[in-house]
Amino acid sequence: GAGVSQSPSNKVTEKGKDVELRCDPISGHTALYWYRQSLGQGLEFLIYFQGNSAPDKSGLPSDRFSAERTGGSVSTLTIQRTQQEDSAVYLCASSYRRGGLQETQYFGPGTRLLVL
Amino acid sequence: GQQLNQSPQSMFIQEGEDVSMNCTSSSIFNTWLWYKQDPGEGPVLLIALYKAGELTSNGRLTAQFGITRKDSFLNISASIPSDVGIYFCAGVIIQGAQKLVFGQGTRLTINP
Repeated sequence: GAGVSQSPSNKVTEKGKDVELRCDPISGHTALYWYRQSLGQGLEFLIYFQGNSAPDKSGLPSDRFSAERTGGSVSTLTIQRTQQEDSAVYLCASSYRRGGLQETQYFGPGTRLLVL
Repeated sequence: GQQLNQSPQSMFIQEGEDVSMNCTSSSIFNTWLWYKQDPGEGPVLLIALYKAGELTSNGRLTAQFGITRKDSFLNISASIPSDVGIYFCAGVIIQGAQKLVFGQGTRLTINP
């Protein structure tokens, strides 16, 4: 498919375990974003990658959260020592930069994380 | 930090009715966006607003960017069952990077 894909779609883990969430952006999109959506809430910005520039990590809630983007394409969001409050839907989006501005962000279906 | 206040939080309407929801902010945004999220899916962009006072339509959807750049509304006319979902407003806080600040969402339920 041509859209943003994320895996796994659902993840249940025990408190204290590490988890890795994967995002495959749309081919050719230079920007990639991670957001967190808690139950009944809007989306909260976590981190932004643009090309080879240093990522904007200003939204990461703690040092237990980190993300990488390898080869300018696939990204992995890692949460170490998960806590119950980390339970949420983690959404990835990608967009194309044109004329100095980012185009529309296209979202993946999200990964639903439940920390027991 | 910047926040968007979206209302109402939920709406229960009859099919065929018109719907109105709005967002306000204490901060100015250069761009306002309206998204719809279906269950188990990511948000999908409905309408983008770039100029203060701008009124834009997309089929049965109409949205306006407030003159002060601190508010926006979305109207849906003649609602149909597929309009069910959660609607989010979002403000663009850095034009180049397009980092988005989202409202809390309006959950729309339609009774046939």
